[in-house]
Amino acid sequence: GDSVTQMEGPVTLSEEAFLTINCTYTATGYPSLFWYVQYPGEGLQLLLKATKADDKGSNKGFEATYRKETTSFHLEKGSVQVSDSAVYFCALTRNSGNTPLVFGKGTRLSVIA
Amino acid sequence: DAGVIQSPRHEVTEMGQEVTLRCKLISGHNSLFWYRQTMMRGLELLIYFNNNVPIDDSGMPEDRFSAKMPNASFSTLKIQPSEPRDSAVYFCASRLAGTGANVLTFGAGSRLTVL
Repeated sequence: GDSVTQMEGPVTLSEEAFLTINCTYTATGYPSLFWYVQYPGEGLQLLLKATKADDKGSNKGFEATYRKETTSFHLEKGSVQVSDSAVYFCALTRNSGNTPLVFGKGTRLSVIA
Repeated sequence: DAGVIQSPRHEVTEMGQEVTLRCKLISGHNSLFWYRQTMMRGLELLIYFNNNVPIDDSGMPEDRFSAKMPNASFSTLKIQPSEPRDSAVYFCASRLAGTGANVLTFGAGSRLTVL
């Protein structure tokens, strides 16, 4: 079945450091890919998405490119802030039908000043 | 728009008690998903509905769990009887199916502790 694998956390970075959180997927067909973010005590919020190969999703300085050849959707940010501390989830859904999102296990990011 | 609203935000109960979690969808959304989040298993899909009809409940752990959508804007997740291993954060999420965006909007979650 469809699945998402993302790098284990926790990840601890200093402010202004470069961030990469790896995500790879297994799916039939051409899924849509997402990154969701969960701040402490809150629900998940959509951070960015990409619906087809080579698309780049971006938001709040974060970027991820849909790479079909490597089945990857790695999340990057050039300069993290303390306020980026959260849990980040990679997810996919098939584009056909109203299918649910399949989530990775999440990666906890802590940014220290 | 008030977003997806869940209640209660926190519930502490004793083993064997009935627990009911509630979710109000975003107005106009027609798909509803219940997820459970634990440290060990991450986010697990329990059940989802399209247009009030349950589509897949294969993620519901046991018969102790049941979910309903009595109308287009409201859902309940019930656990009876509850057990300590049910302790988790339960999220509901909704979306407007058929728009192509496939973007879920999550509620803030209900944190359940079963003693």
